[in-house]
Amino acid sequence: QVQLVESGGGVVQPGGSLRLSCAASSRYGMHWVRQAPGKGLEWVAFIRSDGSDKWYAESVKGRFTVSRDDSKNTLYLQMNSLRVEDTAVYYCAKDYGSGSYGLDPWGQGTLVTVSS
Amino acid sequence: QSALTQPASVSGSPGQSIAISCTGTSSDVGSYNLVSWYQQYPGKAPKLMIFEVSKRPSGVSNRFSGSKSGNTAFLTISGLQAEDEADYYCCSYASSKSWLFGGGTKLTVL
Repeated sequence: QVQLVESGGGVVQPGGSLRLSCAASSRYGMHWVRQAPGKGLEWVAFIRSDGSDKWYAESVKGRFTVSRDDSKNTLYLQMNSLRVEDTAVYYCAKDYGSGSYGLDPWGQGTLVTVSS
Repeated sequence: QSALTQPASVSGSPGQSIAISCTGTSSDVGSYNLVSWYQQYPGKAPKLMIFEVSKRPSGVSNRFSGSKSGNTAFLTISGLQAEDEADYYCCSYASSKSWLFGGGTKLTVL
């Protein structure tokens, strides 16, 4: 069973930047999903196993960039122009595979707080 | 795109069966058999319970089942147990090359 560990969360001012990391095995499609405090899940981004496709939610398009470094078995989410509404726990999750388009397993999450 | 629509809460007594609905559109739930369901306990990461509308990952109890009719998907839990009390989220792949989650349903076992 793949184990995913996120890191890089913290407190940042509006307009600032932050890069999240997810230590994961390579060769899988990977997602970022976020959950604002007390709210539901929101899909953020997806990157294919070979990095050939990257898809984003409209709410983050143009501000967030997903990437991967398979030599380091690490997934990244570069977040720029952060807004108060980006405050959330950010989870990385593996594509379940076999064309299922499910997400499993998930990491434990890392909290990003955007506040002045 | 808007989130999928789920009831905010459902409840049931131990041993009973409950169903949680998840309504989308012809651009997501109605177009693809790629609906998944997730269970989340407070402060924990979500866990995949159902994928491709009705398939269960290895290790998930057969008390959990999924189905779909038109633009609405359903998660049914039979033989309710206290440990089933959690938040449940549906998710669908959408034609805009994105995934949409539902707003979540809080299940209370009375």
